[in-house]
Amino acid sequence: DAGVTQSPTHLIKTRGQQVTLRCSPISGHKSVSWYQQVLGQGPQFIFQYYEKEERGRGNFPDRFSARQFPNYSSELNVNALLLGDSALYLCASSSPAGGGRDIQYFGAGTRLSVL
Amino acid sequence: QKEVEQDPGPLSVPEGAIVSLNCTYSNSAFQYFMWYRQYSRKGPELLMYTYSSGNKEDGRFTAQVDKSSKYISLFIRDSQPSDSATYLCAMSGNTGNQFYFGTGTSLTVIP
Repeated sequence: DAGVTQSPTHLIKTRGQQVTLRCSPISGHKSVSWYQQVLGQGPQFIFQYYEKEERGRGNFPDRFSARQFPNYSSELNVNALLLGDSALYLCASSSPAGGGRDIQYFGAGTRLSVL
Repeated sequence: QKEVEQDPGPLSVPEGAIVSLNCTYSNSAFQYFMWYRQYSRKGPELLMYTYSSGNKEDGRFTAQVDKSSKYISLFIRDSQPSDSATYLCAMSGNTGNQFYFGTGTSLTVIP
């Protein structure tokens, strides 16, 4: 079975540009979460979506937005890129257990470099 | 104060050693505790998942949770060079959908 797939694997942008990252969850998983991992740090929660509805949002500015599609895939959008947005962006999908009982499985991530 | 504290290391041990990795946390609402392994430039891979206090063993790995002390541990027995990676602790509560991660501990097992 395919795991969580993310695209692209690596992206280089310049300050002020916009970027869209994509994620396909494990088959049967209806929940997708997005995390930002800066080098040397643990992942920081950005969003969680379940059944196309936002279920949680971390402490990130409005430049970050996301959506989930009917097939449960998801996109993360970041506008007006800053140098500090350079990071590994991780997508995790989880089984529909809900709440803290979710077990999240991660993709390999998209490495975003902002120049 | 961070929700989850983890010593970043780096930790270097000889092959065959027992490794102890630890995290402390401040939020008493955390009920679910996970350990992930992350190789360089890869996504985190789930190793262990535990609920509330107690021990859980899986092969060479043992996860331990002490909720009274707000302290969790991961023990690796007979460590192998292939265990060289960054180990992340993560936790969540009953009502939240957010996972809180430690900063990760970098482990190197020397052949």
